[in-house]
Amino acid sequence: DVKVTQSSRYLVKRTGEKVFLECVQDMDHENMFWYRQDPGLGLRLIYFSYDVKMKEKGDIPEGYSVSREKKERFSLILESASTNQTSMYLCASSYKQGGAEAFFGQGTRLTVV
Amino acid sequence: GENVEQHPSTLSVQEGDSAVIKCTYSDSASNYFPWYKQELGKGPQLIIDIRSNVGEKKDQRIAVTLNKTAKHFSLHITETQPEDSAVYFCAASKGDYKLSFGAGTTVTVRA
Repeated sequence: DVKVTQSSRYLVKRTGEKVFLECVQDMDHENMFWYRQDPGLGLRLIYFSYDVKMKEKGDIPEGYSVSREKKERFSLILESASTNQTSMYLCASSYKQGGAEAFFGQGTRLTVV
Repeated sequence: GENVEQHPSTLSVQEGDSAVIKCTYSDSASNYFPWYKQELGKGPQLIIDIRSNVGEKKDQRIAVTLNKTAKHFSLHITETQPEDSAVYFCAASKGDYKLSFGAGTTVTVRA
């Protein structure tokens, strides 16, 4: 079974803190994604990576950065957390070809106070 | 960019009845339409998908239909069971990596 593992289920951080969300996949997938899930807005793509050290901005990249130093690991970084970044964050991975199934992690519920 | 609208936002059905969720998309170049199910406390999981060269696809109690002319696609769940209670997301893609998701439908199956 494909496994996408996010390092934390719940996080509480203070405004202004630097926050790291980690994601690891075990299927040798080329593509990795970070989404943000908010009620009534569905899933919105923050960043996408198609290879090690490669990244592309998604629809809502402002306030976020990413790092992919190894194929299996994709990190989302909030440089200076703000309350409007309180949300559910979902990591996903897929094979390179278009239309490939995306496999999601269980999500990280981040609260910024 | 692609805009996907999903209706209804909530759906309550009696166990054994059918449930239908509808989505429309804006970009006629979209050609891949997956449906994801998210159970409480879990990440979304693919349950069925359809590509633009097919009008309908079935998998046991789940079916998806696609109308390319009208740019809409629907998920049909027959003989609903309590384990069908979840949030369902439709999505559309132009065959590249990018999936545009609908806002989600919370389905509740009443016993």
